[in-house]
Amino acid sequence: DAGITQSPRHKVTETGTPVTLRCHQTENHRYMYWYRQDPGHGLRLIHYSYGVKDTDKGEVSDGYSVSRSKTEDFLLTLESATSSQTSVYFCAIRPGPNTGELFFGEGSRLTVL
Amino acid sequence: AQSVAQPEDQVNVAEGNPLTVKCTYSVSGNPYLFWYVQYPNRGLQFLLKYITGDNLVKGSYGFEAEFNKSQTSFHLKKPSALVSDSALYFCAVRDESNTGNQFYFGTGTSLTVIP
Repeated sequence: DAGITQSPRHKVTETGTPVTLRCHQTENHRYMYWYRQDPGHGLRLIHYSYGVKDTDKGEVSDGYSVSRSKTEDFLLTLESATSSQTSVYFCAIRPGPNTGELFFGEGSRLTVL
Repeated sequence: AQSVAQPEDQVNVAEGNPLTVKCTYSVSGNPYLFWYVQYPNRGLQFLLKYITGDNLVKGSYGFEAEFNKSQTSFHLKKPSALVSDSALYFCAVRDESNTGNQFYFGTGTSLTVIP
């Protein structure tokens, strides 16, 4: 158990509404990531963080913002949700040294109507 | 740019037979390669990784992977498949060139083990 909790696990919302997904870790690891998973695309990186208030964009960052005000929490916000953002979102942490693997949360399924 | 490719969307194998899930990679530096498994409605679970050293890497649940530099491949293997191995498998490569050491994933291969 990597100590990662994602919330909410399921959410249905309407186009144009803001949505925030939360990733919480219990072990104070420095690196945290947000991915989305879509059929035919695998997992694609949205944003990542390498410390408190240190974040950077991934390959599919448009329409998303993140914040990390505490080591344990990494928030993903969709300012104005669109149907193309219907997806399963995964948070991951990287606890090890540079060669370390990622550990994933259980995912948050978001449906935008 | 770093990338991995999984050429097969679906692999079917009979229980007890050996299985192979294919992955090829493209990296500009040292290849740091990973395999993950995903069961329905769950997050990804780490299986094994290649960083350096022996080309044959052993991992969880009896899986192993063979790193082949000349063919730029990192195929996942298991000598005898179980029905419980049926899942979605992802290959990934880590990019050392940026601050976050980003991981790039393949599109996944769905493995079905037939009883």
